[in-house]
Amino acid sequence: KQEVTQIPAALSVPEGENLVLNCSFTDSAIYNLQWFRQDPGKGLTSLLLIQSSQREQTSGRLNASLDKSSGRSTLYIAASQPGDSATYLCAVSTGANSKLTFGKGITLSVRP
Amino acid sequence: DGGITQSPKYLFRKEGQNVTLSCEQNLNHDAMYWYRQDPGQGLRLIYYSQIVNDFQKGDIAEGYSVSREKKESFPLTVTSAQKNPTAFYLCASSIAGDQSPLHFGNGTRLTVT
Repeated sequence: KQEVTQIPAALSVPEGENLVLNCSFTDSAIYNLQWFRQDPGKGLTSLLLIQSSQREQTSGRLNASLDKSSGRSTLYIAASQPGDSATYLCAVSTGANSKLTFGKGITLSVRP
Repeated sequence: DGGITQSPKYLFRKEGQNVTLSCEQNLNHDAMYWYRQDPGQGLRLIYYSQIVNDFQKGDIAEGYSVSREKKESFPLTVTSAQKNPTAFYLCASSIAGDQSPLHFGNGTRLTVT
C-alpha cells in the first residue's frame, strides 16, 4: 500500500528565504505526483503536476522535482513571501486520479 | 469563470439525520470525486465517478451514497450509518482517463451533534 510522508508537519521561515518542502513515498511505481496548496478553511489548489517520466516542473517561483527511484519529491519555493503561508500537500498516483494517495501536508508560515 | 461550487459552506445536523452535500462543476470534466479531510490526516477518497450514471466506491464509502445523473453534478449523501460524519468534505473534478490535475471546490464543513 502506497504511503506518502511529509516532514516536518509545520515550518516557519522569515520572508525572503528560499525553502524546500519534502515529500516521500513508499512505492516507486507511480504515474504522477501532484503538489497542492490549501489555505485555511478552503479547498486545494493544484500547483504542479510531474509525470513519472519527468524530473521537474516549474511555475513562477515554484519548482518541483521528482526522484522516483528514491521515492522523493521536493517543492522549492524561491524568495518566500507572507502570501505563501498555507498548507502544502503532495499526492502520488498509481494510476488514474482515483488512485491518488495524499500526504498530511506541511503547514508553512512565512514571517514578515 | 469555470470552477467547482460546493454548498453550503457550513452544515449542522443532528445525529440520525441524513444530509446531502452539493457539488456542481462547469469545467466540463467527466470525472468527479468526493474526499473527506480530518485534522492531522490526509485526504481520503469516499466515492468517485468517471462518467454520468456510473460511480465507484473509494477507500471509505461506508455510510455514504452518491448519484451522478448529470455531468455537472455529483451530490454526496451522508447517511445516519456513517459513524463519524463530522468532517470537512471536498469535491473535486478532473479530465477522465487522463493524469490531469485535480480541481477542488472550497469544501463543506459538516458538524453532526
